Amino acid sequence: SQQGEEDPQALSIQEGENATMNCSYKTSINNLQWYRQNSGRGLVHLILIRSNEREKHSGRLRVTLDTSKKSSSLLITASRAADTASYFCATNTGTASKLTFGTGTRLQVTL
Amino acid sequence: EPEVTQTPSHQVTQMGQEVILRCVPISNHLYFYWYRQILGQKVEFLVSFYNNEISEKSEIFDDQFSVERPDGSNFTLKIRSTKLEDSAMYFCASSEERAGYGYTFGSGTRLTVV
Repeated sequence: SQQGEEDPQALSIQEGENATMNCSYKTSINNLQWYRQNSGRGLVHLILIRSNEREKHSGRLRVTLDTSKKSSSLLITASRAADTASYFCATNTGTASKLTFGTGTRLQVTL
Repeated sequence: EPEVTQTPSHQVTQMGQEVILRCVPISNHLYFYWYRQILGQKVEFLVSFYNNEISEKSEIFDDQFSVERPDGSNFTLKIRSTKLEDSAMYFCASSEERAGYGYTFGSGTRLTVV
């Protein structure tokens, strides 16, 4: 698989439920970032977790990182209809500045 | 909240024509990037720019592409002779530091080559 593969590809939940998205990557990383993209719009930075961190919180978001498994998860608690979007993980490796994006998870939150 | 501004939001051009996509990064940011996203595909890195020169580029960023920071605020991407496969959403981004912070992305320019 390529650097940055998310699963599931699509997720549909009801408002109030939690949504969990997973990301796997192949090479060692400096940090991993999660972005949200509303349909046809730009990417919004959500949270960054460094390789020496295991968990990070920001509001209703919780990100975990397991470098031994080369995987990360994004948990959105108490989801809202406004959370409907595509979510991408992106890795930054070594001294390079570029981000390598995953394939994304399309999240649909229904009322 | 500071923003990265991109213009135009949508550009339609004929194959073989030159296009220039414009971006105004956040004023105190030092690193600038272009990414693209072909419809339904991943966001792909094109090029990064720091200290008035390209610091990194991908295989996609061939001789048909160039970037410039013509003044203290604008950052442009030029495609010299567009091809149909250049049709994509092009995103500009900027960051304060090289790798330790999240990027701020613009809303993108949808380029359609006909």
